[in-house]
Amino acid sequence: GAVVSQHPSRVICKSGTSVKIECRSLDFQATTMFWYRQFPKQSLMLMATSNEGSKATYEQGVEKDKFLINHASLTLSTLTVTSAHPEDSSFYICSATPQGLPSGNTIYFGEGSWLTVV
Amino acid sequence: SQQGEEDPQALSIQEGENATMNCSYKTSINNLQWYRQNSGRGLVHLILIRSNEREKHSGRLRVTLDTSKKSSSLLITASRAADTASYFCATVHSGGSQGNLIFGKGTKLSVKP
Repeated sequence: GAVVSQHPSRVICKSGTSVKIECRSLDFQATTMFWYRQFPKQSLMLMATSNEGSKATYEQGVEKDKFLINHASLTLSTLTVTSAHPEDSSFYICSATPQGLPSGNTIYFGEGSWLTVV
Repeated sequence: SQQGEEDPQALSIQEGENATMNCSYKTSINNLQWYRQNSGRGLVHLILIRSNEREKHSGRLRVTLDTSKKSSSLLITASRAADTASYFCATVHSGGSQGNLIFGKGTKLSVKP
């Protein structure tokens, strides 16, 4: 079945540095991928919609200059947390839907990436 | 913004019992989905029910949808210890992108052996 892979699964970085998280669809093409953030014991909050070949669409309250999203190919989207601070520590999850399928089809999630900023 | 609300927030039952979780939402939807998340892991899609459907089954799972009340329920029958996880409902609202899910707060289910 379709698989979405995220890398790294866990990352620790120093405050002020940048960290990149990759989201790959392994056996299907996805023109659109989604990035979510989940704080401990809370639900998922959509951060942005990643569009292949164009700018990402950010949800209200999400700083686009801090969370840089690049969707350079139909199988890869990257989220870069720039100038990370401890409050950015969270679980980041991406999702993707196979291209061209009608509404109502399964959305596949990656395994998530734990970011800890120290 | 978060629109789904699950209740209960936490549920603890014995193995073999049934577990029922409820979800309410606020806007018109295309479909509603239930996901499972083991602690610290990604999400696993369980079942999708479309706005014109009232009930759907998948193995030990039964999902109902009442669009007039804007609510859904997930029933897990004959629960097992391996069912221990957090369960989230998520909606795709009418006119929204298929992948743009709005998640509820989740129910943390604990099944004791």
